[in-house]
Amino acid sequence: DAGVIQSPRHEVTEMGQEVTLRCKPISGHNSLFWYRQTMMRGLELLIYFNNNVPIDDSGMPEDRFSAKMPNASFSTLKIQPSEPRDSAVYFCASTYRQGARNEQFFGPGTRLTVL
Amino acid sequence: GQQVMQIPQYQHVQEGEDFTTYCNSSTTLSNIQWYKQRPGGHPVFLIQLVKSGEVKKQKRLTFQFGEAKKNSSLHITATQTTDVGTYFCAGADGTGSYQLTFGKGTKLSVIP
Repeated sequence: DAGVIQSPRHEVTEMGQEVTLRCKPISGHNSLFWYRQTMMRGLELLIYFNNNVPIDDSGMPEDRFSAKMPNASFSTLKIQPSEPRDSAVYFCASTYRQGARNEQFFGPGTRLTVL
Repeated sequence: GQQVMQIPQYQHVQEGEDFTTYCNSSTTLSNIQWYKQRPGGHPVFLIQLVKSGEVKKQKRLTFQFGEAKKNSSLHITATQTTDVGTYFCAGADGTGSYQLTFGKGTKLSVIP
């Protein structure tokens, strides 16, 4: 069974450009999370969806960031315009909410470099 | 908001020595989870603790959840080079949101 799939794995772009990161959660999972990881700030939750509906986007840094989940098998995180401080590894994770058990399954991540 | 503190930030041990990382939450947790991230990899779920005072073992790894459900620890006995990586604790706040607050992790290096 395939795990969480993310694309691209690496992205190098110039400041001001639009960046779109993609995620396909594990089939059957009903919650999806976007995280950003940097050395300074660690692993930060940006936004999460439950049944394709955004529940908490308080971690989204600013209006330049937006996320969508048009269906249960696809989500995007968009940065427009990108800035050098957005350079980080972006992880998508999914989980199946059932009772108290809610471990998250992470994708391989997208390493974003903004020049 | 909820904060999860983890110490130490780094730990270097000789192979065969024991290792412990500690996690402390500013609020009472409904459960705590532990993840391991290998260098260049992604976090991988290790275990979830739910009950006050719970202790779980996975081979050389021992996980504990405090009585007040605000702290936790991970202890590795006789470390091996395969234990290298960063260990994260992640707390769920019990509001039913299923979101986790991650500690900053403890990066373990094992010297052969």
